[in-house]
Amino acid sequence: GAVVSQHPSRVICKSGTSVKIECRSLDFQATTMFWYRQFPKQSLMLMATSNEGSKATYEQGVEKDKFLINHASLTLSTLTVTSAHPEDSSFYICSARMGRGNSQPQHFGDGTRLSIL
Amino acid sequence: DAKTTQPPSMDCAEGRAANLPCNHSTISGNEYVYWYRQIHSQGPQYIIHGLKNNETNEMASLIITEDRKSSTLILPHATLRDTAVYYCIVRVQGGSEKLVFGKGTKLTVNP
Repeated sequence: GAVVSQHPSRVICKSGTSVKIECRSLDFQATTMFWYRQFPKQSLMLMATSNEGSKATYEQGVEKDKFLINHASLTLSTLTVTSAHPEDSSFYICSARMGRGNSQPQHFGDGTRLSIL
Repeated sequence: DAKTTQPPSMDCAEGRAANLPCNHSTISGNEYVYWYRQIHSQGPQYIIHGLKNNETNEMASLIITEDRKSSTLILPHATLRDTAVYYCIVRVQGGSEKLVFGKGTKLTVNP
């Protein structure tokens, strides 16, 4: 089946640090990737939709200058949390799907647990 | 996209079938039903999806009622590793690509 790889799986860093998370589709080309955030005991919340070769579409309330998304190729999207603070500590998860306008499901990475001290 | 309603939790004995219900009474004719599950501290795992007909794969079966207002995910022989939160999501084909996750059903498989 389709595989999505996310790296790193865990990050612990000091407040003010910028952190980059990578999301790769390993065996398919993904024109669209998605970034989610999940706080403890809550469900996944979509942050933004990443489109290859164009700007990301952010959900309401998500700061685009703080969460920088780059989707430079059909197999790689990155999320950079700039100047991270303790309130940004969360579980960040990406997903990708093949093609557009069809019923193909999204496949998810294993997530990145970000802890800001 | 249509909203879904799921029970917050369910229990199942190991080796028995787990039947997880989902109500989607406002579903439109072109909306698919998707099921995912999330095991603790992992990303969601795709299980199955369908439009009108019942579907079966190596993981589960999906039964959709004739009026499409509800569906049931069936894990035929639940194991301890099936303990997870199960999400039922409806999405329009060709419409907004995004998935809206509700709170799901926490399934606990007991030995």
